[in-house]
Amino acid sequence: NAGVMQNPRHLVRRRGQEARLRCSPMKGHSHVYWYRQLPEEGLKFMVYLQKENIIDESGMPKERFSAEFPKEGPSILRIQQVVRGDSAAYFCASSPAVHQETQYFGPGTRLLVL
Amino acid sequence: AQSVTQLDSHVSVSEGTPVLLRCNYSSSYSPSLFWYVQHPNKGLQLLLKYTSAATLVKGINGFEAEFKKSETSFHLTKPSAHMSDAAEYFCVVSRFSGGYNKLIFGAGTRLAVHP
Repeated sequence: NAGVMQNPRHLVRRRGQEARLRCSPMKGHSHVYWYRQLPEEGLKFMVYLQKENIIDESGMPKERFSAEFPKEGPSILRIQQVVRGDSAAYFCASSPAVHQETQYFGPGTRLLVL
Repeated sequence: AQSVTQLDSHVSVSEGTPVLLRCNYSSSYSPSLFWYVQHPNKGLQLLLKYTSAATLVKGINGFEAEFKKSETSFHLTKPSAHMSDAAEYFCVVSRFSGGYNKLIFGAGTRLAVHP
C-alpha cells in the first residue's frame, strides 16, 4: 500500500515564475491537507480539501496561492509569481475520513525561489 | 484555543543514554496529542498518539510518552538513544474546528545523538 506521494521532491523557481506541487493521497483516502514548513519552524496548516471541494483554506495566503483536488488525479498546490519568501518545504497529508484524526504525511516538496 | 509548546529547540544526548523531549499543551477540552518525527529531508512519520485511553502511550522505535493532565504535559521519552534517532521531533495537538480535525504543530525539537 503506497503512502502519500508528492512530486516533485525538489523544485527551483525564479522570482515571478509559477510553482505547481502535486500530492497523491494514500489509496482510499479522500481528505487532503497541505502544510508549509518555513526554515527552522514547525508545520503550519494551509488548506484542507476533499474531492472537488475546498473545506478550509484559512491558512492560505490571500494572494497567489490556490489549491485543488479534482475528481480524478492528484491534489495541486499552485503558487503564482513566486517570491523568495515562498521558499519552504510543502507537505501534503491525507486521511481516510473526516473524523479520523491521524494524518499520514508525504515526503514533502522543497521549493527554492532564486 | 489549542496550542503546543516544545520547551527545547535542541537536545543533545550520547548514544545509549535516555532521551527526554518536553512538550506542554494548551487545550480547552481533552485533547488528542501526537508525536511525529522528521528525519533530514524526509517526510513526517507518526511515532505515537494519545486519545484519552491509557495515559502512557507506547510508540514505535522504543519511544513512549506520558499524558499528564495536571501538568498539561506530553513528554516524549526513550530509555536508550540510538544514532538513528537523530532527527526533528514535533509535538502536535488536534483541534476540532469547522467539522474536522486540524493539527497544530509545535516548533520542533532537534535531537542530536553523539557516539
